[in-house]
Amino acid sequence: EIVLAQSPGTLSLSPGERATLSCRASQTVSSSYLAWYQQKPGQAPRLLIYGASSRATGIPDRFSGSGSGTDFTLTISRLEPEDFAVYYCQQYDTSWTFGQGTKVEIK
Amino acid sequence: QVQLVQSGGEVKKPGASVKVSCKASGYTFTNYGINWVRQAPGQGLEWMGWISAFNGNTNYAQKLQGRVTMTTDTSTSTAYMELRSLRSDDTAVYYCTRVSNDLALDPWGQGTLVTVSS
Repeated sequence: EIVLAQSPGTLSLSPGERATLSCRASQTVSSSYLAWYQQKPGQAPRLLIYGASSRATGIPDRFSGSGSGTDFTLTISRLEPEDFAVYYCQQYDTSWTFGQGTKVEIK
Repeated sequence: QVQLVQSGGEVKKPGASVKVSCKASGYTFTNYGINWVRQAPGQGLEWMGWISAFNGNTNYAQKLQGRVTMTTDTSTSTAYMELRSLRSDDTAVYYCTRVSNDLALDPWGQGTLVTVSS
């Protein structure tokens, strides 16, 4: 089973700043099957990025994904107040696994 | 619009079973699989398993093998997840989510809180 390790655990930033979230896999992941989700308190997760770099429908272009192999990144170019949330990466090989999450909090 | 609507919260005693439903609308149900994902209080997301709405094939997480059963009813576009021999650490919000063609998960149901307590 591929294990995903996200870092940092918590990111403390101010609105307007850039956020860079990392997701590292224990084995090579197909870029086609790497996704990112946003979850706010009391809500279900929402798909942000699929195929490592494609934005899901309705996702603002301040969200971008990149990476390949074992290292993937989610970047939020300028944080808006509604972006403070927990972010999860997810991969599929023979089953789905999730990273443990990165919390982006207001500094 | 594509939507998944789950059944309401449940409170169960240890050793009991729970069955959560997930009714799909806005798309052809049999064209996509359904995943079940759970989230214990304050914790991350845990994948539980997948079911094909086309033919009922399943793939369960190893740690839940023998305790979980996922089924679908194509006549009502509804997916079900049954978990047996409940323990306190099964207390969680259970989500259903549609599996897209690139195996990302979208959309998600609103979640069903299952509380296991004596």
